[in-house]
Amino acid sequence: DAGVTQSPTHLIKTRGQQVTLRCSPKSGHDTVSWYQQALGQGPQFIFQYYEEEERQRGNFPDRFSGHQFPNYSSELNVNALLLGDSALYLCASSLVGQEGGWSTEAFFGQGTRLTVV
Amino acid sequence: DQQVKQNSPSLSVQEGRISILNCDYTNSMFDYFLWYKKYPAEGPTFLISISSIKDKNEDGRFTVFLNKSAKHLSLHIVPSQPGDSAVYFCAARTRTGANNLFFGTGTRLTVIP
Repeated sequence: DAGVTQSPTHLIKTRGQQVTLRCSPKSGHDTVSWYQQALGQGPQFIFQYYEEEERQRGNFPDRFSGHQFPNYSSELNVNALLLGDSALYLCASSLVGQEGGWSTEAFFGQGTRLTVV
Repeated sequence: DQQVKQNSPSLSVQEGRISILNCDYTNSMFDYFLWYKKYPAEGPTFLISISSIKDKNEDGRFTVFLNKSAKHLSLHIVPSQPGDSAVYFCAARTRTGANNLFFGTGTRLTVIP
């Protein structure tokens, strides 16, 4: 049973460029959340997708956008990259539970290390 | 504004002894708490969780304690093993923000053989 897979594992981009990161959720999961983990910090919630729509969003600018496909996979797009966007980007998948909540645990991928130079 | 805090960046423990990792939070709306373990070059792995209606949850060597009045939780690992060496993150969520986890900054546990 494949877990959450993310691609690419590492990426180097130049300031001002745009980047797309990809995530395939764990089999059977229908919800994908994205997190940014800066060096020495805990992961910070960016947004969450369910039924191909953004359902919740953290405190991130509109330069961060996403998409979810019918097969539940997801993309994270970041435009006009800044040096401060350098971080580990984590994708987590889960299953919507009762009352629109989620399962009691989220499964994380190994992350994409983005370096902006 | 860090709503979940792990004030000890690192902890070293002898193999076989107890490891105690601490976490404090400020948001009284948090109703569910989780601990994740992270090895280098891997994503966080779920370890154990606790609902706000409980004050203790146990799973094998791992026990989480919740003190709501103090807004404090702790993870106990007994006995500690070298394979437990990793970074441990405390996380919390609210009832309405079920898909938004707030993470602490992590504690690096080193278990010395």
